Amino acid sequence: DSGVTQTPKHLITATGQRVTLRCSPRSGDLSVYWYQQSLDQGLQFLIQYYNGEERAKGNILERFSAQQFPDLHSELNLSSLELGDSALYFCASSVPGAGETQYFGPGTRLLVL
Amino acid sequence: AQSVTQPDIHITVSEGASLELRCNYSYGATPYLFWYVQSPGQGLQLLLKYFSGDTLVQGIKGFEAEFKRSQSSFNLRKPSVHWSDAAEYFCAVGPPGSFQKLVFGTGTRLLVSP
Repeated sequence: DSGVTQTPKHLITATGQRVTLRCSPRSGDLSVYWYQQSLDQGLQFLIQYYNGEERAKGNILERFSAQQFPDLHSELNLSSLELGDSALYFCASSVPGAGETQYFGPGTRLLVL
Repeated sequence: AQSVTQPDIHITVSEGASLELRCNYSYGATPYLFWYVQSPGQGLQLLLKYFSGDTLVQGIKGFEAEFKRSQSSFNLRKPSVHWSDAAEYFCAVGPPGSFQKLVFGTGTRLLVSP
């Protein structure tokens, strides 16, 4: 158990819908990262937040957005869902510093039908 | 562009045999290097990481990796594989310093035969 929690574990929805994935980082970790794991794209970095502020963006679609709240939990919002958005979405957290280790949550498996 | 290549999609090893998983990277400077393991239905667990110094890095579960700058490689090794090592292994690179925006390889699935 990494100490990072993600809810829900599974999510099934229809095309065009909007969903919210939630991540609670390890106690004391200020950074939250979101990754998408799909069969065709592999593991890809989406976005990073540090202490409530966006820090880095990766291959995140405009239909996707994220935020980090004052209690440091983070939410990833996916809208206008398409079949290709079906994937495993991971959250990771860390304490920033040279050589920081990212601790990954168990992921949310999203299936868009 | 930054990239990580894991040339072996699947590897089958007999229990008790040695293991080497290959990883090559392309990066502007010497990056920070990581190996993660993902068991079925689980998140990723860090096995080991390299930042600087000794090029042979020891990790958890008896794994080690060697950084070879001249070959841009960071291969993962284990002298004797256990059935519980069956999983998917990912090599990743990140920029030196903080805020590790990781770039992952495509993964190598390890199968362990009795």
